[in-house]
Amino acid sequence: GEDVEQSLFLSVREGDSSVINCTYTDSSSTYLYWYKQEPGAGLQLLTYIFSNMDMKQDQRLTVLLNKKDKHLSLRIADTQTGDSAIYFCAESIGSNDYKLSFGAGTTVTVRA
Amino acid sequence: ETGVTQTPRHLVMGMTNKKSLKCEQHLGHNAMYWYKQSAKKPLELMFVYSLEERVENNSVPSRFSPECPNSSHLFLHLHTLQPEDSALYLCASSQDTGSGGYTFGSGTRLTVV
Repeated sequence: GEDVEQSLFLSVREGDSSVINCTYTDSSSTYLYWYKQEPGAGLQLLTYIFSNMDMKQDQRLTVLLNKKDKHLSLRIADTQTGDSAIYFCAESIGSNDYKLSFGAGTTVTVRA
Repeated sequence: ETGVTQTPRHLVMGMTNKKSLKCEQHLGHNAMYWYKQSAKKPLELMFVYSLEERVENNSVPSRFSPECPNSSHLFLHLHTLQPEDSALYLCASSQDTGSGGYTFGSGTRLTVV
């Protein structure tokens, strides 16, 4: 089945690194995604990683994938107040690359 | 502007009302989706349309009725809703193959009274 789990809350000090963790269940997922949702807005695609990769870096964002443990993480370097949002992990489901299963979201609060 | 536009942004309706949510995209995507977002729960996939055909209905009650008249427009018709249907309803679109991920609209905040 499809089940994506992530912790619900993370509090981090401005300037520190944030690490958001996620576990998923579908070993045949081709792509794994991180989305960001700001208040009053829809979800915005932040980054994604192909399942045959173990790391992807994009400016302040680093995605790590451990396929054996079905564990995905998102690291945000030098966290800023504008990074306060809900972050969703998602996996593509089976052979349907376009069908995604989402977690419940991690609310990241950046404190001064 | 995200490329996917949802209207209205907010909707309050009584349990006996009939209303419709609208979603529009001009990104050239050929798949469109309705998701329900409730607090602290995973996004619930409701319906998937690919090339204007419904390819998935995730056991959604019949009081929710989707319509996809063309590849750019998606509707969700609502009738005789319950208070527990109050949530943020998100529309998304994508190409039905590949790694593009979804483009989401800003959602309609629905309150059923």
